Amino acid sequence: DGGITQSPKYLFRKEGQNVTLSCEQNLNHDAMYWYRQDPGQGLRLIYYSQIVNDFQKGDIAEGYSVSREKKESFPLTVTSAQKNPTAFYLCASTPGGQGGSSGNTIYFGEGSWLTVV
Amino acid sequence: DAKTTQPPSMDCAEGRAANLPCNHSTISGNEYVYWYRQIHSQGPQYIIHGLKNNETNEMASLIITEDRKSSTLILPHATLRDTAVYYCIVRVLGAGGTSYGKLTFGQGTILTVHP
Repeated sequence: DGGITQSPKYLFRKEGQNVTLSCEQNLNHDAMYWYRQDPGQGLRLIYYSQIVNDFQKGDIAEGYSVSREKKESFPLTVTSAQKNPTAFYLCASTPGGQGGSSGNTIYFGEGSWLTVV
Repeated sequence: DAKTTQPPSMDCAEGRAANLPCNHSTISGNEYVYWYRQIHSQGPQYIIHGLKNNETNEMASLIITEDRKSSTLILPHATLRDTAVYYCIVRVLGAGGTSYGKLTFGQGTILTVHP
């Protein structure tokens, strides 16, 4: 089945450590996104990528880094510079292309919980 | 980016219609309105989307005003399992008319369906 796979589902990080969250899609989508969600809050955009080897900062990119070396993969690294990393992280993708219709539906992964210990 | 405004919370009795409003007064002519919902600690689930005509699928109906500045998501017969956070978003288009670009979510509406 096609979809987005995020791993791990639960991750614990020690103070000062970098951790990487994986996001893989087999939908052949061009665009991929990372969001952060804090308890009781909406989704905030961290980074997004419209094409391989290109990505842009979202609204809360500080303390995070990404790469897009392959179309199907968009890993997110939470660096030690991120002071409050404990949150729920969601990866999403869209097909891209012209205009609207069902080709613009946004697909989400099941999310990853990151906790600082 | 076109922004959306939704009420923070709403209640609905089980079996009744749930009508969730969304304002998107700065929407552009070629931007779509999308609705998603999220149950706690899961990825958001697609519900419906539309450009200017009203839309209906097996989950819900979407009513868009003629000036496209607001819309309403209708769950015709709400069940307890419809309790979730509902997000209304406007699809931002990138350069050249493609559908790339930022996807910005607001705070959403917490819908609580009670017996």
